[in-house]
Amino acid sequence: QQQVRQSPQSLTVWEGETAILNCSYENSAFDYFPWYQQFPGEGPALLISILSVSNKKEDGRFTIFFNKREKKLSLHIADSQPGDSATYFCAASDDAYKVIFGKGTHLHVLP
Amino acid sequence: EAGVTQSPRYAVLQEGQAVSFWCDPISGHDTLYWYQQPRDQGPQLLVYFRDEAVIDNSQLPSDRFSAVRPKGTNSTLKIQSAKQGDTATYLCASSFLGSSYEQYFGPGTRLTVL
Repeated sequence: QQQVRQSPQSLTVWEGETAILNCSYENSAFDYFPWYQQFPGEGPALLISILSVSNKKEDGRFTIFFNKREKKLSLHIADSQPGDSATYFCAASDDAYKVIFGKGTHLHVLP
Repeated sequence: EAGVTQSPRYAVLQEGQAVSFWCDPISGHDTLYWYQQPRDQGPQLLVYFRDEAVIDNSQLPSDRFSAVRPKGTNSTLKIQSAKQGDTATYLCASSFLGSSYEQYFGPGTRLTVL
C-alpha cells in the first residue's frame, strides 16, 4: 500500500506559470512533510518542509499548503523557471528519521 | 563543507555476483541512511544507523543485503548474490541529531544487474 501518493505523475508548464504538485497520505501519525527536488544523476535535495501544526509554509517561490483534516498537501512553484525542471518528491514521517517518499512528479518548465 | 560522497558511481554485474557500496557522510553527522531508488520511484529506506548502531533494518532483505558502520563514520552496504530485481540506484544520506530534520543525500550508485 502506497502510504504517500503524488499527482500528477508528470506536469508541463510554461515559464512564468505556477506549477501545482499534489500529495496525499494515509497515516494520521505523520507530522513532518519534506519536499525533495532531484535532478538526473544527483541525489534528492531538501527543498522545503512543513510540520503538521502549520497549514502553510513559504520559502521564496515555493509554498506548501497543508490540510490535515483531508490528509493532503500541495507544493506551489510560482514564476516557474526552466531550471526548476526536475523530479519532486513529497515525503512524510512521524519521527523525522523514517521518511516515506512518494513516487514523484516530473516537472517540465518550457521556456 | 564537503557533501556526502559515494563510490562507485556505477556498477554492472551478472546475477549471482556480489557488490559493495561505500559511503562517507558529512563530517559530524551521527545518523546515516541507505536507500534504494528503483527507476522512476522514490527512495525507499533500507537501513539507518545512529553512530555505529543499527536503529532500523526492517526493510533490508537480510538474506542477501548487509550494512555496517563500524566506527560511526563511513558505511558499507553489501549485496551478496545480486538479482535482476536489485537493479536500482543506492543512495546514502546523513543527518545530525539535534539540528534540522534535513537529510543530505549523496549522488548515489547506479547498479545494473544483468
